[in-house]
Amino acid sequence: SAVISQKPSRDICQRGTSLTIQCQVDSQVTMMFWYRQQPGQSLTLIATANQGSEATYESGFVIDKFPISRPNLTFSTLTVSNMSPEDSSIYLCSVMSGASGGNTIYFGEGSWLTVV
Amino acid sequence: RKEVEQDPGPFNVPEGATVAFNCTYSNSASQSFFWYRQDCRKEPKLLMSVYSSGNEDGRFTAQLNRASQYISLLIRDSKLSDSATYLCVVVNTGGFKTIFGAGTRLFVKA
Repeated sequence: SAVISQKPSRDICQRGTSLTIQCQVDSQVTMMFWYRQQPGQSLTLIATANQGSEATYESGFVIDKFPISRPNLTFSTLTVSNMSPEDSSIYLCSVMSGASGGNTIYFGEGSWLTVV
Repeated sequence: RKEVEQDPGPFNVPEGATVAFNCTYSNSASQSFFWYRQDCRKEPKLLMSVYSSGNEDGRFTAQLNRASQYISLLIRDSKLSDSATYLCVVVNTGGFKTIFGAGTRLFVKA
């Protein structure tokens, strides 16, 4: 398994500002994933963060809004830029491990973001 | 059609009851299957992997039916602490495209 630490765990932000979420993994991983889970909804993949290259964004998510850094194999950041109330959500960092006989996803504790 | 579909529930059951959840997936090339549990305002956590031969972990049994493209989760002797949302997760070709179901909410009552 993998131990993933995220911070901040929660924040209340003013609209128009930006917030950077940090994700630290206890082992080296090739890919890290950033998800969003809006209230009452399931998880939606924002992007895949690869070390040494630009992140790969899913449909509906763009780099200008959600810039991602991946400086090394154990760390990544996600910035939520120019926030609006619609960005209020939990943001989850995750990695994939080959334990349990398959590709298992492990999550950080999440960053609860409220935009006012 | 969604790639992964679950009955959202909620399922309201008394303690000690047996409850079953189903999940269907649309991509026949899907490789790996999991059930995750998510408590309120917490991150999802792996409950169990799902294998073609079926697998059991205590009160929990998971099964995969590739022909019909569905997976199931059976919980026996429900406990109050089983109350949570159960997410069906499918990993597709290449091992990196992961699809989450919307989750099934379970409430176990005393």
